[in-house]
Amino acid sequence: EPEVTQTPSHQVTQMGQEVILRCVPISNHLYFYWYRQILGQKVEFLVSFYNNEISEKSEIFDDQFSVERPDGSNFTLKIRSTKLEDSAMYFCASNGQDYSGANVLTFGAGSRLTVL
Amino acid sequence: DAKTTQPTSMDCAEGRAANLPCNHSTISGNEYVYWYRQIHSQGPQYIIHGLKNNETNEMASLIITEDRKSSTLILPHATLRDTAVYYCIVRVAFSGGYNKLIFGAGTRLAVHP
Repeated sequence: EPEVTQTPSHQVTQMGQEVILRCVPISNHLYFYWYRQILGQKVEFLVSFYNNEISEKSEIFDDQFSVERPDGSNFTLKIRSTKLEDSAMYFCASNGQDYSGANVLTFGAGSRLTVL
Repeated sequence: DAKTTQPTSMDCAEGRAANLPCNHSTISGNEYVYWYRQIHSQGPQYIIHGLKNNETNEMASLIITEDRKSSTLILPHATLRDTAVYYCIVRVAFSGGYNKLIFGAGTRLAVHP
């Protein structure tokens, strides 16, 4: 079964450092998303991406965050200057175009970011 | 998108059916009901979705009431590996493909021996 692949599985970084989290969505999918989950809290929407541009972003997704699809397969989330409160699991998700309208999202296993 | 209400937690004995309820009394006619689960800190896993009719797949069954104001996810023979947080999400169907899902707190299901 097709999977969404995320790397790294765990990254430890110092506060103020830049971090790039990588995702390889399912190959024929067109819509891409980043979510995050702080330990013990809900899964929160960060940003969605379609047709090489951001389609929607949450208030969490401030100027410290950026997303990019540098080639035909990767989808990246960059945090420019990490803060302690950025410590969380980050999940990438994707979906294709289902003309029934259901548009089921497939999530990756996540990248755990620890900011010290 | 319609708001959903789920119990905070539930228990189930291994081998028995787990019935997880979800209330979505403000659902509109073009909104799907989706169920996802999250095992420990893994990525959310799609289980099933439905619009009006009851649905069944290899993982679960989804029973939607006739008025569509509530639904029940049924895991017919729960195993220890089904211990997870289960999310019921209601979302408007878009033929264009975009489908941002908003997760609530879900129901924490504990399956015990």
